[in-house]
Amino acid sequence: DAGVTQSPTHLIKTRGQHVTLRCSPISGHKSVSWYQQVLGQGPQFIFQYYEKEERGRGNFPDRFSARQFPNYSSELNVNALLLGDSALYLCASSRRDSGANVLTFGAGSRLTVL
Amino acid sequence: GENVEQHPSTLSVQEGDSAVIKCTYSDSASNYFPWYKQELGKRPQLIIDIRSNVGEKKDQRIAVTLNKTAKHFSLHITETQPEDSAVYFCAASSAGGGADGLTFGKGTHLIIQP
Repeated sequence: DAGVTQSPTHLIKTRGQHVTLRCSPISGHKSVSWYQQVLGQGPQFIFQYYEKEERGRGNFPDRFSARQFPNYSSELNVNALLLGDSALYLCASSRRDSGANVLTFGAGSRLTVL
Repeated sequence: GENVEQHPSTLSVQEGDSAVIKCTYSDSASNYFPWYKQELGKRPQLIIDIRSNVGEKKDQRIAVTLNKTAKHFSLHITETQPEDSAVYFCAASSAGGGADGLTFGKGTHLIIQP
């Protein structure tokens, strides 16, 4: 059974550009969460989606947006990229949106903004 | 919102000795406390978690203790081995990592000396 898969694994953008990151959850998992991990820090919560609806949002600007598709895969979009957006973006999936909500992380998409 | 403090930032122990990593949290509503291990360049992997209705949980060489009154929880690794070398993150959540997301500590770099 495949784990959480993310694409692309690495990408380089310049300031002001837009980026789309993709995530496929573990089969049977209906919840997807996005985290940003800056080098040397712990992951920081960005969004959580369950059954295609946004269920939670962290302290990130409106330049960050996401959506979840009928097959439970998800996209994270970041507009008007800043140098500070350079980070590892982690997607995590789980079976449901609360209670016994064990998160399984993907390998991440490493974004470098020049 | 929740705030999680983690100490120490770096911990070096001799192979075979025990390692203890401590975390404190601020939100008394938090009820789910996972620990993740992240090896260099890899995804965070859940190693153990505890919920607020128990005070201690063990899994082979790993144990976690929770003191709700003091709002702190700790990871204990006994008989450390070279493969235990990694960055360890504690986290806390009031919704099991769902709608409110997980709040992570800044991580502890555990170094096992041969």
